[in-house]
Formats: sequence, structure tokens, C-alpha cells
Amino acid sequence: SQELEQSPQSLIVQEGKNLTINCTSSKTLYGLYWYKQKYGEGLIFLMMLQKGGEEKSHEKITAKLDEKKQQSSLHITASQPSHAGIYLCGAPPPQGAQKLVFGQGTRLTINP
Amino acid sequence: KAGVTQTPRYLIKTRGQQVTLSCSPISGHRSVSWYQQTPGQGLQFLFEYFSETQRNKGNFPGRFSGRQFSNSRSEMNVSTLELGDSALYLCASSLGSGTSIYNEQFFGPGTRLTVL
Repeated sequence: SQELEQSPQSLIVQEGKNLTINCTSSKTLYGLYWYKQKYGEGLIFLMMLQKGGEEKSHEKITAKLDEKKQQSSLHITASQPSHAGIYLCGAPPPQGAQKLVFGQGTRLTINP
Repeated sequence: KAGVTQTPRYLIKTRGQQVTLSCSPISGHRSVSWYQQTPGQGLQFLFEYFSETQRNKGNFPGRFSGRQFSNSRSEMNVSTLELGDSALYLCASSLGSGTSIYNEQFFGPGTRLTVL
């Protein structure tokens, strides 16, 4: 079965600094979602990447999909306190009954 | 457009009891998926319903069941609760069924279940 591994598991950065979160798949990626979650709440959709080499940006968040490496990265520029939360990558599996497979999440803390 | 709603938001039960959680999808969405989130296991897929039929199922025991109504609203039931069932239960709705990347899922706020 497919597994998604996120790194790092937690991250503490100073406000204003840049940061990157990675999501690596054990199998071929057929697209990938990035979500953000505030503790104990639902997932907020950030971005969907459909094919290799695709890069999308929204405000200060940029995500890329590298099909060959079976990996996606999420980059935040000039981090703000509002960026704090748990970031999750999710992908539709190439086969099987799962709807979406998720990584374990990266907990991001922004220090003022 | 209203988002995905889940009720109740918080629930406390004791071992052995049963519980029913409710999810109302975004208007027009016919697929509802349920996920369990725990600190140890992360976010795990429970099952998906589409047009009142279970389409996909994750690796959970038969104590976890669900159903979907003709208006696409879905309920999830857990019988004979165990301490390990304490979790955040999330539902997500999408237009279509299946695992295509284009079936983007929109998540509700979740129901926090605590089993004592």
C-alpha cells in the first residue's frame, strides 16, 4: 500500500523566515493535495498538484510536484503567525480502496 | 455555498456504548468519505458513500459502519465503543466517487469523540 512520509515532523521558525516541508511517496504519485489543519479542527484545502513539474502559489505558499522523485514540497516565504498549524499532504492511491492516503503531518510553530 | 457540516462537534461516551455521527455535504456533492484521526495513527480512511452505496472501505473492524441518505447526508455509527476509538472523526464531501485527483475533497470541522 502507498505511504506518504512528511519531513520534518515538526518545525519551529522565527516570524519572517522561509521554510520548506517535504512529502515523499512510496509509490507513484498521481497528483497530490496539501491541506492545513488547526489543532483539533477540520482540514483546509491549500493546493492541488496534478502532474509532475507543476508548481502552484497562493499568497506566500508555493508547492511543487516532482514525479520522478515521487515527492512534493511546500515552501512558505516570510512566515507569519497565521501560518502556524499542521500541514498534511494527501494523495489518491494508484490502486486499492482508499479514497486518500495522508502523511503524518508537519506541525509548524511560528515564533514572534 | 455552505461548507461541510458535522454534528455533534464534541461527544463523550463510555466503553461499550454506541455512537452516531452525522455529516451534511456541500450542496450538490454526492460522495461522502469518513476519516479517523488519532495522534498515533494519523489520518486514516474509514469508508466512502456515493449515491447511498458504500463504494470504498478502509481497514477498520465491522463495529464501524455508515450509511448515506437520498439527500447525500451521511451518518457513521460505532458500536461497542473501545478506549482506542477516541479520535477526531472527519468527513469530506466531493462531487464524484473514486480516487481521481480531480475529485477534490472538502472537509468538515470534525467530531471529537472521547471514550471513557
